[in-house]
Amino acid sequence: AQSVAQPEDQVNVAEGNPLTVKCTYSVSGNPYLFWYVQYPNRGLQFLLKYITGDNLVKGSYGFEAEFNKSQTSFHLKKPSALVSDSALYFCAVRDSGGDTGRRALTFGSGTRLQVQP
Amino acid sequence: DGGITQSPKYLFRKEGQNVTLSCEQNLNHDAMYWYRQDPGQGLRLIYYSQIVNDFQKGDIAEGYSVSREKKESFPLTVTSAQKNPTAFYLCASSRAGTGEGYEQFFGPGTRLTVL
Repeated sequence: AQSVAQPEDQVNVAEGNPLTVKCTYSVSGNPYLFWYVQYPNRGLQFLLKYITGDNLVKGSYGFEAEFNKSQTSFHLKKPSALVSDSALYFCAVRDSGGDTGRRALTFGSGTRLQVQP
Repeated sequence: DGGITQSPKYLFRKEGQNVTLSCEQNLNHDAMYWYRQDPGQGLRLIYYSQIVNDFQKGDIAEGYSVSREKKESFPLTVTSAQKNPTAFYLCASSRAGTGEGYEQFFGPGTRLTVL
């Protein structure tokens, strides 16, 4: 089975400061990892993904994430937060070696990021 | 949200009624998915389809049904058997195939409220 944990319901950061949104995962094989962002009453927008290769992945809007296999983590980061980054962030995982019949992602419960001016 | 449309945006249902949520994509994706979103619970998978005329139950399929007669369309019916259908419903699509690190693209969602 595959699972994702986002341990923080909310993260508060001041504009201009670095931000981190945490994600840990559990899969039996190698993971495919994703970050999405959701604005109020909207669908999810893809930010970035880790499939293989470099552990530091760069994505949209200046976000990046670091894959750490030993800690089974995939934390989302940004060097300098903007007020417009305030939204709900979801981490998702799929086991690359899992049941070939199950292609869908498993999502975490989400972390609300609040950036104060 | 580009490439995937969901309708209606808001839907109200009386108890005992079946309702159908529409999802259409023009991304030429083989795979399509339905999720339910409740506050504080993230997204839960209802049904998914890897190819036309085939679909599989997700984690919370009871009280829901789907069809996949066309590649572009994956409608979801919320039946009267679904005891607590009030939620935000999200449709998604993705490429499918071996080595699948393909991201999913999401529609704008349908908010269903039971009166």
